[in-house]
Amino acid sequence: DAGITQSPRHKVTETGTPVTLRCHQTENHRYMYWYRQDPGHGLRLIHYSYGVKDTDKGEVSDGYSVSRSKTEDFLLTLESATSSQTSVYFCATSGTGDTGELFFGEGSRLTVL
Amino acid sequence: GQQVMQIPQYQHVQEGEDFTTYCNSSTTLSNIQWYKQRPGGHPVFLIQLVKSGEVKKQKRLTFQFGEAKKNSSLHITATQTTDVGTYFCAGPLTGNQFYFGTGTSLTVIP
Repeated sequence: DAGITQSPRHKVTETGTPVTLRCHQTENHRYMYWYRQDPGHGLRLIHYSYGVKDTDKGEVSDGYSVSRSKTEDFLLTLESATSSQTSVYFCATSGTGDTGELFFGEGSRLTVL
Repeated sequence: GQQVMQIPQYQHVQEGEDFTTYCNSSTTLSNIQWYKQRPGGHPVFLIQLVKSGEVKKQKRLTFQFGEAKKNSSLHITATQTTDVGTYFCAGPLTGNQFYFGTGTSLTVIP
């Protein structure tokens, strides 16, 4: 498996607090993605990056922002967490974009009370 | 809304029975990928299909890509308990944005 590390793996927070999830990869992959997984919805794309400082929105980007200042790190920020953002968040990377497989991190379980 | 749909959402089978999950996209895909996620785990890549009408096999798993490149299927012959998990299809709908299907959760009863 590609070296993809997500942190924290588990977090419990309160409504209205900011939260940042970190994805770190050691594969020098150009493309990085943040997904959330919820029962009945599968994996939904939040944001993705196609290079350093190059990011774009996915299908469920409201309430989330991202940053990528280095190839290896992709940060997902919830500026003011809400209970609807309780979910499991997965980071994924790809070396070749739409023609290559995605490699996933272990996931970060976020609970917003 | 969800642009890649899968059916069924859940499937329970007796060990030894066959299993099929279907994936449908609202738009034509340049390729389609399949992933498996074990309970408590993360999605793991299984295969990629690129050509219209393509069929690929991996042991007991058979993958098909539709002629119009808008649908796909995964068929497992003679399921085993190791097949338990959720199966997702995924495709690049816009540029490099990979959209996943809703997934099919497979339970295999010994």
